[in-house]
Amino acid sequence: AQTVTQSQPEMSVQEAETVTLSCTYDTSESDYYLFWYKQPPSRQMILVIRQEAYKQQNATENRFSVNFQKAAKSFSLKISDSQLGDAAMYFCAYRSPASGTYKYIFGTGTRLKVLA
Amino acid sequence: DTEVTQTPKHLVMGMTNKKSLKCEQHMGHRAMYWYKQKAKKPPELMFVYSYEKLSINESVPSRFSPECPNSSLLNLHLHALQPEDSALYLCASSPLTSDVGNTQYFGPGTRLTVL
Repeated sequence: AQTVTQSQPEMSVQEAETVTLSCTYDTSESDYYLFWYKQPPSRQMILVIRQEAYKQQNATENRFSVNFQKAAKSFSLKISDSQLGDAAMYFCAYRSPASGTYKYIFGTGTRLKVLA
Repeated sequence: DTEVTQTPKHLVMGMTNKKSLKCEQHMGHRAMYWYKQKAKKPPELMFVYSYEKLSINESVPSRFSPECPNSSLLNLHLHALQPEDSALYLCASSPLTSDVGNTQYFGPGTRLTVL
């Protein structure tokens, strides 16, 4: 069974600085999808970035980028030029592409604080 | 448009009440999900509907009854809940084509309190 581990329960970053959130996973599959979701105090889970395992190129979305290391089963999220609005709970998620498997495997989350 | 809407935003109910949560999406997604989320925890999957048919029930107690009247709507009927059922209930939807990894888009949630 797949597992997702987020080893940092809480992180802090100074405004305008860069922070990296870690995520590791365990799977025997060669093809899968990985996601980072952000959940601010407003509660809504918002997709930050998505990575297909078969793509070697790391995904980027504006100030957000990932460092995807398939062999190491690592999927870290880098937030550049951190803003106060980045403060939220961040969840890493894994999804198998197997037919009929709609489930996400979520990590336990990392709470990010942004200091002014 | 990647919007999933949920009503109500907040709900307080007694253990003998019957209430319903509603979720709606107009993205043409054919999979819809209900999650339960406790504070500071990741969402826990409850139900999955695909093509308006229940495809996954994660051993959820029968006091929670899902319904998918059409491809845009998802309801969760609540009856005889317990205080431990108090949580944030999230709805999500996703396409069933794999080209975008079946990315799930979440609604803002309903905060449920059971007294």
